[in-house]
Amino acid sequence: NAGVTQTPKFQVLKTGQSMTLQCAQDMNHEYMSWYRQDPGMGLRLIHYSVGAGITDQGEVPNGYNVSRSTTEDFPLRLLSAAPSQTSVYFCASSYSAGSGTLGNIQYFGAGTRLSVL
Amino acid sequence: QKEVEQDPGPLSVPEGAIVSLNCTYSNSAFQYFMWYRQYSRKGPELLMYTYSSGNKEDGRFTAQVDKSSKYISLFIRDSQPSDSATYLCAMGSGGYNKLIFGAGTRLAVHP
Repeated sequence: NAGVTQTPKFQVLKTGQSMTLQCAQDMNHEYMSWYRQDPGMGLRLIHYSVGAGITDQGEVPNGYNVSRSTTEDFPLRLLSAAPSQTSVYFCASSYSAGSGTLGNIQYFGAGTRLSVL
Repeated sequence: QKEVEQDPGPLSVPEGAIVSLNCTYSNSAFQYFMWYRQYSRKGPELLMYTYSSGNKEDGRFTAQVDKSSKYISLFIRDSQPSDSATYLCAMGSGGYNKLIFGAGTRLAVHP
């Protein structure tokens, strides 16, 4: 049972380069999200998706693009990497459930550590 | 002011101590309250989940929610070195679960 799988685990980029962080889940969850984690800032939402073909912006979307063509995959694209995007990136998935249930719990991948020089 | 405030620590306690971790929040619409545990270089994993106010106990862990004071707590009894991790509070108001996370408190339990 893989859960949420993120690749790569580590990446070093030069300023201006582009890349895609991959995220896949095998739990048939409707919702998927991308977060970045910086010291003292907690987890901040970048983009999220409530289903295939539907995405929306989170708290810190600038410089990132997403798409959701399948339920399983939710890649995050850095268009032109900047040193301010040095961070640890987490993908999460969750399922929709009624109020008061154990829905709305996010299951996280192991993260991608990105350094932009 | 952040929507969720959490003391980043670090907090260092001896094995067997009772640990209290806390978060305050400003949004009265929050209904879901969670605690995630994150070991070094790993993703967060759910530890406790509470809907609305009240207490919830799971083994050595107790989560408390006081919506009137906008204050949540996590208590760890008989703390163990394996409890050494960063603990993140998270909360949301329903619908698409756009959770708001605290900054995390780093806990070290020494033998």
